[in-house]
Amino acid sequence: EAGVAQSPRYKIIEKRQSVAFWCNPISGHATLYWYQQILGQGPKLLIQFQNNGVVDDSQLPKDRFSAERLKGVDSTLKIQPAKLEDSAVYLCASSRDRTNYGYTFGSGTRLTVV
Amino acid sequence: DQQVKQNSPSLSVQEGRISILNCDYTNSMFDYFLWYKKYPAEGPTFLISISSIKDKNEDGRFTVFLNKSAKHLSLHIVPSQPGDSAVYFCAAMEGSARQLTFGSGTQLTVLP
Repeated sequence: EAGVAQSPRYKIIEKRQSVAFWCNPISGHATLYWYQQILGQGPKLLIQFQNNGVVDDSQLPKDRFSAERLKGVDSTLKIQPAKLEDSAVYLCASSRDRTNYGYTFGSGTRLTVV
Repeated sequence: DQQVKQNSPSLSVQEGRISILNCDYTNSMFDYFLWYKKYPAEGPTFLISISSIKDKNEDGRFTVFLNKSAKHLSLHIVPSQPGDSAVYFCAAMEGSARQLTFGSGTQLTVLP
């Protein structure tokens, strides 16, 4: 099966600009996650979707971050405006459903805010 | 508050020897534990997992041990191979949410 696709792979923006990341999960996977990995740290959950509904966005900085999953398939994560501390790798992951322990991660988008 | 801790940022091991990676956790509600392996410029890849009702799980060269009373788990790789060189993340899940809480990772280097 095809893996989790993410784009772009790399992005450099200036602070206060906006940026968007795209994720296409594995076909048929109902659960989708966005994680943020800051250099030297483990990934941290930002938001979890079940189909096109939000299950948990408690750790998403909602003043600047937003995410959607239209039609329960692809998802986009947006940052507006970006801050220097948003520099990180943004990982998308999917699983068949919430009872499935095995996540599949995409390769991530490395964001640098200058 | 770090609920999952990997206190060794790096570990070097000779090829053929055993690699032991350690992980501690503080949340007693965690009921499932996983190890992920990550190569540069790639996403984490699932390696092995263990339920809190078990104390050991084996898969080929990889064995995970869980000590619930000490809130400690470890990953053993025997024998270690140069291709095992990567960052290893310990992660934990709680209840039905199925969200992963990760440690900060350990860079394993297997020397030929």
